[in-house]
Amino acid sequence: DTGVSQDPRHKITKRGQNVTFRCDPISEHNRLYWYRQTLGQGPEFLTYFQNEAQLEKSRLLSDRFSAERPKGSFSTLEIQRTEQGDSAMYLCASSSVAGLSTDTQYFGPGTRLTVL
Amino acid sequence: GEDVEQSLFLSVREGDSSVINCTYTDSSSTYLYWYKQEPGAGLQLLTYIFSNMDMKQDQRLTVLLNKKDKHLSLRIADTQTGDSAIYFCAARGSYIPTFGRGTSLIVHP
Repeated sequence: DTGVSQDPRHKITKRGQNVTFRCDPISEHNRLYWYRQTLGQGPEFLTYFQNEAQLEKSRLLSDRFSAERPKGSFSTLEIQRTEQGDSAMYLCASSSVAGLSTDTQYFGPGTRLTVL
Repeated sequence: GEDVEQSLFLSVREGDSSVINCTYTDSSSTYLYWYKQEPGAGLQLLTYIFSNMDMKQDQRLTVLLNKKDKHLSLRIADTQTGDSAIYFCAARGSYIPTFGRGTSLIVHP
């Protein structure tokens, strides 16, 4: 069990550029979540997948944001036409709802995005 | 929706006990979590408690749950400088937990 991994760990981009982040969940976990965290706040839910299906999206997820989990394993989060307000830590978490598991979420190290 | 509140700061001396408090609003919350976040890192799960329990102990950590008052606490015994971090409380009713703003624990030598 190698834990949840995210790539890149840091991304600096100019306003208007597109960025894409990747998350690799714990291998047997079928649920994957994306959160955004700004300074002094807790994580805010963006979206989640069960296997390859995107089951819920927060109203925070504007139409510039899109997430995919094409084979039910890794996921990508893309932000188009980045704005300075998109600067934040983007956290990925995964959990399992199989068998007797408690659906407890385990987090990755995050991707810190800075939009100049 | 769910609202989770925590005090923002706690300062303790090394070796003392720390108690971090949290309140939540949704009485149907079934799982309550404590996560730890160090600077620049993701959230590390410390412990969780199911709503039909009122206490859970795990080494230096003790979680107390008062369902009537919707109050959760995390006690860290023999606090060490390595415990300095931000501690997040989270409450989950269905499948998406709601997080508090975090309590910054500062441990003085």
